[in-house]
Amino acid sequence: GDSVTQMEGPVTLSEEAFLTINCTYTATGYPSLFWYVQYPGEGLQLLLKATKADDKGSNKGFEATYRKETTSFHLEKGSVQVSDSAVYFCALIPNTGNQFYFGTGTSLTVIP
Amino acid sequence: DGGITQSPKYLFRKEGQNVTLSCEQNLNHDAMYWYRQDPGQGLRLIYYSQIVNDFQKGDIAEGYSVSREKKESFPLTVTSAQKNPTAFYLCASRPRQGVNQPQHFGDGTRLSIL
Repeated sequence: GDSVTQMEGPVTLSEEAFLTINCTYTATGYPSLFWYVQYPGEGLQLLLKATKADDKGSNKGFEATYRKETTSFHLEKGSVQVSDSAVYFCALIPNTGNQFYFGTGTSLTVIP
Repeated sequence: DGGITQSPKYLFRKEGQNVTLSCEQNLNHDAMYWYRQDPGQGLRLIYYSQIVNDFQKGDIAEGYSVSREKKESFPLTVTSAQKNPTAFYLCASRPRQGVNQPQHFGDGTRLSIL
């Protein structure tokens, strides 16, 4: 079945460090892929998305590239800030379905 | 501003009691979803609805019920049959048309047992 696997946390980085959060997926066909961010006590906010192979989604300095050959959608940011501390979720929706599939989330803490 | 409103933000339930969580959206979205979030387990789908007066069970529907009488509203009832209801509940919506459309989330309701 369809599923998303993302790297386990928690991740702790110093301010201005490089961030990578790994995400791989299993799906038939060509799903759409998403990264969401959740701040404490809040709902999920869409961070970026990609809808076909080799698409790069980007927002607020974050980037992720849809890699069909490796079934991956890794999240990256060149220089993290304290305000980036949150939980990040990778998600997909199959191109023939109505249901989203979420990873378990990766908690990021950025220290000054 | 368009968005999804969940209420209340915090809710307490006594043993044997049913409680209803509210979810309202003014985004004109057809599809609405309820998720349960437990620490370290990500999001699990409870119920979803693609259109008014129709809804489908998700992965963990036992002990929950929903209704979809209006496009804007998708309330979730946590019944006394749900033995471990303490969790953070999230409501989401999206347009039914367009597989690329993301889900939009409310700010959640935290349910606790007294």
